[in-house]
Amino acid sequence: ELKVEQNPLFLSMQEGKNYTIYCNYSTTSDRLYWYRQDPGKSLESLFVLLSNGAVKQEGRLMASLDTKARLSTLHITAAVHDLSATYFCAVMPPGGGADGLTFGKGTHLIIQP
Amino acid sequence: KAGVTQTPRYLIKTRGQQVTLSCSPISGHRSVSWYQQTPGQGLQFLFEYFSETQRNKGNFPGRFSGRQFSNSRSEMNVSTLELGDSALYLCASSSQGGPWDEQFFGPGTRLTVL
Repeated sequence: ELKVEQNPLFLSMQEGKNYTIYCNYSTTSDRLYWYRQDPGKSLESLFVLLSNGAVKQEGRLMASLDTKARLSTLHITAAVHDLSATYFCAVMPPGGGADGLTFGKGTHLIIQP
Repeated sequence: KAGVTQTPRYLIKTRGQQVTLSCSPISGHRSVSWYQQTPGQGLQFLFEYFSETQRNKGNFPGRFSGRQFSNSRSEMNVSTLELGDSALYLCASSSQGGPWDEQFFGPGTRLTVL
């Protein structure tokens, strides 16, 4: 059974600081997704990581994937209040989407002025 | 291209009732997946439909069922509602539901069971 663990689950940080969210998963997968969710809203796709060593950046967010370590990271640079949200990583199982994405529990991020 | 749409957006039901939620995928997408999101259990996979066939189902009781129509629209039904069924129900569509297809999520239906 595929398991996905995120840490930390809660993070309060100040504007301007850097931090990293970690996502570990238990079985082989070559596709990992990062989503953002604002309160009461749906999931907004941030990054799709397709292969080992993949690195993607969008604004102050950068995501990477190490399939050998079964680890993905979401790095936040010089955080701003607008990045406050819950961030989820999700892993595509080997069987594909028909088996459903497996999500981490999410990291609730609060960025304070 | 229009995104994934879900109706209704909000529902309030009482215990014992049943409910039907609808999802229209992105045009051309043939795979529809359903997920339940609760504060306690997080996001959990319910089932996936492709070409009107359920290909897989998550670990949910038989009260949760679904179907897909020939135009790829999907419905999910929950019978004999329980308080614990209160959740945000998200559907996601993808082209084929294969390992290389990205899933696109709809806005969700917020179900409250009283």
